[in-house]
Amino acid sequence: DAGVIQSPRHEVTEMGQEVTLRCKPISGHNSLFWYRQTMMRGLELLIYFNNNVPIDDSGMPEDRFSAKMPNASFSTLKIQPSEPRDSAVYFCASLGGNLDEQFFGPGTRLTVL
Amino acid sequence: AQSVTQLGSHVSVSEGALVLLRCNYSSSVPPYLFWYVQYPNQGLQLLLKYTTGATLVKGINGFEAEFKKSETSFHLTKPSAHMSDAAEYFCAVRHSGGYQKVTFGTGTKLQVIP
Repeated sequence: DAGVIQSPRHEVTEMGQEVTLRCKPISGHNSLFWYRQTMMRGLELLIYFNNNVPIDDSGMPEDRFSAKMPNASFSTLKIQPSEPRDSAVYFCASLGGNLDEQFFGPGTRLTVL
Repeated sequence: AQSVTQLGSHVSVSEGALVLLRCNYSSSVPPYLFWYVQYPNQGLQLLLKYTTGATLVKGINGFEAEFKKSETSFHLTKPSAHMSDAAEYFCAVRHSGGYQKVTFGTGTKLQVIP
């Protein structure tokens, strides 16, 4: 299995630009999670989906952030407009079947100048 | 609400010495408990997990952890540290019911001194 796939791995953009992060979960997994990791705040859950439906988005920082899961094999996290304080590593993780643990992707390192 | 507390954001041990990383949890229902490891510039990788059954669980790379309900603890140990163990370690808790949200601790960075 290829594991959780995230793209791009690195993104550098300027303040005000739209940023779209992508995630392909492990095939057969029915739950998907988006996290943000920073030195100051550690690992934060932004949103999670179950069967493509958003279940808990209480961690989404503000309206500039949005996430979608149009089908079981793809999800996006969009930031519009981006700000320097959004600079972080964004992780996607999936969970499914009778497994108990989440499987993490390699992350996208976002730098907003 | 469930939560985890990791004592010590940084731990240093000598190569060959015992590794002990502490984790205490709070949960109103029987918890599922996890330890993840993160190497530099990588995602989190599962080390081991406790769901039900035997309270001493063994994971990859020689790590193990013991679930102690009376102490609400799930400390991670390894008898002999190796240089390759240098990484950040996260304890996490999840409800044993259908709710899938996991709460992570703040992480402990392990330094192994040669």
